Amino acid sequence: DAGVTQSPTHLIKTRGQQVTLRCSPKSGHDTVSWYQQALGQGPQFIFQYYEEEERQRGNFPDRFSGHQFPNYSSELNVNALLLGDSALYLCASSAPGLSTDTQYFGPGTRLTVL
Amino acid sequence: GEDVEQSLFLSVREGDSSVINCTYTDSSSTYLYWYKQEPGAGLQLLTYIFSNMDMKQDQRLTVLLNKKDKHLSLRIADTQTGDSAIYFCAESINDYKLSFGAGTTVTVRA
Repeated sequence: DAGVTQSPTHLIKTRGQQVTLRCSPKSGHDTVSWYQQALGQGPQFIFQYYEEEERQRGNFPDRFSGHQFPNYSSELNVNALLLGDSALYLCASSAPGLSTDTQYFGPGTRLTVL
Repeated sequence: GEDVEQSLFLSVREGDSSVINCTYTDSSSTYLYWYKQEPGAGLQLLTYIFSNMDMKQDQRLTVLLNKKDKHLSLRIADTQTGDSAIYFCAESINDYKLSFGAGTTVTVRA
């Protein structure tokens, strides 16, 4: 049973560039959430996708956008990168139909903005 | 409001019990979670507790929930070197997002 997978593992970009991160949910899950984890901090919720729609959004600017595909995989796009966007980006999947709606995390994508 | 607080560091001797504490603010949280993060890795779900429970045991892990005081703790029995990691407490907000604490770094010394 494949868990949550993310690509790429690491990424280096320069300020002003755009980046796309990818996530495939755990088998049987239909909901994908994205989190940003800055160094030394806990993860911060960016947004959640369900049925190809953004269901809820955290306190992040519009430079952060996403998409969910019919196969439930998801992308996170960040435009006009800032140095402060350097972080570990975590994807989590869940299945709302289950009683706990527990979120399972992937290994993350480490983004460095120079 | 949403604010989860944890102590930042814990040092424990191998074989002893570790207790990690957490306080949260959203009384409507349905579930509370403990995740473990090893260096350079993602978050591994350790355990969770439903808000109408006050204790849950899972092998070496015991979770205690005091809903009145909004206090959650994780006890790890017989702590091993492999338990060295950062432990995050998280509360479920509106069943959509998780709100995390800053994490407690647990160091296990021989």
